[in-house]
Amino acid sequence: DSGVTQTPKHLITATGQRVTLRCSPRSGDLSVYWYQQSLDQGLQFLIQYYNGEERAKGNILERFSAQQFPDLHSELNLSSLELGDSALYFCASSVGTGAFGELFFGEGSRLTVL
Amino acid sequence: TQLLEQSPQFLSIQEGENLTVYCNSSSVFSSLQWYRQEPGEGPVLLVTVVTGGEVKKLKRLTFQFGDARKDSSLHITAAQTGDTGLYLCAGERSNDYKLSFGAGTTVTVRA
Repeated sequence: DSGVTQTPKHLITATGQRVTLRCSPRSGDLSVYWYQQSLDQGLQFLIQYYNGEERAKGNILERFSAQQFPDLHSELNLSSLELGDSALYFCASSVGTGAFGELFFGEGSRLTVL
Repeated sequence: TQLLEQSPQFLSIQEGENLTVYCNSSSVFSSLQWYRQEPGEGPVLLVTVVTGGEVKKLKRLTFQFGDARKDSSLHITAAQTGDTGLYLCAGERSNDYKLSFGAGTTVTVRA
């Protein structure tokens, strides 16, 4: 158990819909990262927050947005969903930001868009 | 194209054999990490290397960071079925807060 909690574990929805994925980091971790994992793209970095502020941005689509709340939990919002958005979405947390820190990953949220 | 290229993509060996997985890039990294991911779970950190030429051993696993800090390798000696999984390398470049992952190498160790 990494200490990172992600909900929901599985989600099935239709194209055009909007979903919210939730992540609770390990106790004491200030950084939260979101990654998308698909068979053809591997693990792709989406976005990182540190203590409520956006720290780094990866290949995150404009249809996607995220935020980190004062209690440090984070949400990833995916809107106008397309078939290609079907993937595993991982949240990870770390104590600091960058510089050799270990990332602790949750078990992921599997999104299926039909 | 991936910032970090891993090879081979798939590797299937018999228990007791040795294997090596490679992670290469044209970029220089301030640190490089190896993770292992099992089905239905998130990646779990195995090791972090930060110094060019560094070699780290973790029981039967040996990790090497290239002298120029552009590449790394993971060698497993006398593989066991419990070593089966997806091995991912991940690197962070200086002044870049993103940890970028390679596509991974799926290792299957047959009994």
